[in-house]
Amino acid sequence: LAKTTQPISMDSYEGQEVNITCSHNNIATNDYITWYQQFPSQGPRFIIQGYKTKVTNEVASLFIPADRKSSTLSLPRVSLSDTAVYYCLVRRATYNQGGKLIFGQGTELSVKP
Amino acid sequence: DVKVTQSSRYLVKRTGEKVFLECVQDMDHENMFWYRQDPGLGLRLIYFSYDVKMKEKGDIPEGYSVSREKKERFSLILESASTNQTSMYLCASSQGGANTEAFFGQGTRLTVV
Repeated sequence: LAKTTQPISMDSYEGQEVNITCSHNNIATNDYITWYQQFPSQGPRFIIQGYKTKVTNEVASLFIPADRKSSTLSLPRVSLSDTAVYYCLVRRATYNQGGKLIFGQGTELSVKP
Repeated sequence: DVKVTQSSRYLVKRTGEKVFLECVQDMDHENMFWYRQDPGLGLRLIYFSYDVKMKEKGDIPEGYSVSREKKERFSLILESASTNQTSMYLCASSQGGANTEAFFGQGTRLTVV
């Protein structure tokens, strides 16, 4: 599975838009890009997933360029409750790999008042 | 609501003991996972199961084994617990396929003394 690289930490202020970029240079044709969020003392929680172009849900947007070697998670107007660790993952769509989740170090986002 | 339940929230065991961590999911998911999480190391995959009785080693399987006799239950076994296995253990499950969301349990904080 493609290795992902993302910033170790980011700081932001309430009300700002936050963009976290992840690089996955060795992504394969049948790989999906997925983002998870983790609060202290809790398990990770799914945020968003995409294959190409742009995906948006009620929480975030995910931008994936045509070459798919990177992706950007966009959090609009963050609040203090968005302080968490954000993980970018690549998942492969084959029978015995189809669910496999390999987490990297994640990006620790700190939102300040 | 999807539920992934881990049998214990906190556990203290002695060095050399055989330890069983149990995980049960109620959504008929094909995939189940065991991770450990340590400060500065992120989430590391121990074992992954994509079907009953099917398992695959993750990044750090040494010192661990798993059992999946029924679809809803995935057990992590520490054959002879050691102090370096003190950690937070997280179980997760997902439906088959790379484009599906994984759900995590609340975690078991295991301390080996």
